[in-house]
Amino acid sequence: SQTIHQWPATLVQPVGSPLSLECTVEGTSNPNLYWYRQAAGRGLQLLFYSVGIGQISSEVPQNLSASRPQDRQFILSSKKLLLSDSGFYLCAWSGGVGGNQPQHFGDGTRLSIL
Amino acid sequence: QKEVEQDPGPLSVPEGAIVSLNCTYSNSAFQYFMWYRQYSRKGPELLMYTYSSGNKEDGRFTAQVDKSSKYISLFIRDSQPSDSATYLCAMSYNNNDMRFGAGTRLTVKP
Repeated sequence: SQTIHQWPATLVQPVGSPLSLECTVEGTSNPNLYWYRQAAGRGLQLLFYSVGIGQISSEVPQNLSASRPQDRQFILSSKKLLLSDSGFYLCAWSGGVGGNQPQHFGDGTRLSIL
Repeated sequence: QKEVEQDPGPLSVPEGAIVSLNCTYSNSAFQYFMWYRQYSRKGPELLMYTYSSGNKEDGRFTAQVDKSSKYISLFIRDSQPSDSATYLCAMSYNNNDMRFGAGTRLTVKP
């Protein structure tokens, strides 16, 4: 069966520091991968998605970037964090072949910026 | 107008009650409809996945889609305290363009 791992679960960082959040998927090949941010009471905002290695689409201009160095690895980064980057970050995957497939989420990283 | 509207609640019911959760949407192109359950400090977990209009049942859960009214529902029968969570509706017309409701917080009291 497929599993998705995100780490760390919680992170406290000072303003201006760099960020690297990692997500890996097991048990599937060539998945579509997604990064979301979830704000309290506001649903999920898609930040980036990837349909293959090195292929990244950005949904919103911001202080963050994403990379996909391997088929089942997705990384969310920032060079200098802002206070507004605080939030709950979720990684998700879906099947990349055979039409529309539902997305499956990891357990997220709660990021606090001080 | 938001593309997906979902009453945030909170909704509180006694154990054993039937729960009805709803979302409305404005984009008639949506073809795929999902319900996710999210426990506190966890990621959303897929509960139901349906295509186009109709009903789908899985145990105590029933999902309904009415595309003519742009309205989807999730019913939970014989609700349990373990059903206490936030429920998110979601919909899409392709893999990479899902839209989520803000979530309804449900509490089932023993």
